[in-house]
Amino acid sequence: DAKTTQPNSMESNEEEPVHLPCNHSTISGTDYIHWYRQLPSQGPEYVIHGLTSNVNNRMASLAIAEDRKSSTLILHRATLRDAAVYYCILRNYGGSQGNLIFGKGTKLSVKP
Amino acid sequence: NAGVTQTPKFQVLKTGQSMTLQCAQDMNHEYMSWYRQDPGMGLRLIHYSVGAGITDQGEVPNGYNVSRSTTEDFPLRLLSAAPSQTSVYFCASSTSLLPPTDTQYFGPGTRLTVL
Repeated sequence: DAKTTQPNSMESNEEEPVHLPCNHSTISGTDYIHWYRQLPSQGPEYVIHGLTSNVNNRMASLAIAEDRKSSTLILHRATLRDAAVYYCILRNYGGSQGNLIFGKGTKLSVKP
Repeated sequence: NAGVTQTPKFQVLKTGQSMTLQCAQDMNHEYMSWYRQDPGMGLRLIHYSVGAGITDQGEVPNGYNVSRSTTEDFPLRLLSAAPSQTSVYFCASSTSLLPPTDTQYFGPGTRLTVL
């Protein structure tokens, strides 16, 4: 899987929007962009994914740059429960490459 | 549905002991996998399985064995525990490795300490 670069940590205030960036300059045309998050002392959970177009679901929005070399996970109103490590992962589905390859992610802190 | 369950939640072993970490899922998922997570690090893939009777190695397979005799269960065996295997272990499953059914569901983890 292609490499992603994320900031080590970010801070946000409760009830404010949060934009979590991810750079993936070597992304291939068939790589999907996935986001998972890991709450403290829990296993990771799926957040959202996309290929080319922006995506929305009940948890978050994913904005993908036109050249696909970067993307941003948007939490519209951060809550204390959103404090977690957020992982941006590229997935390519050839052979065994559909496995998730985790980096270190971005640790999001949310202040009341 | 219980989802993905893991037992035990905590375990302490002495160097050289063996043990099996259990993982079960009740979602009829074909794909299952094991990860380990060391402090301050992301998860690293140990072994995975795309269906009963089929397993393959991930990034860090040494010191671990797996088998998949049923769709529901995917146990991870440590044959001779070493302090370097002190970690938190997560099991995950998904319907497949292909979209749109490739969302992975993770268990709560097993925290293993090897003295």
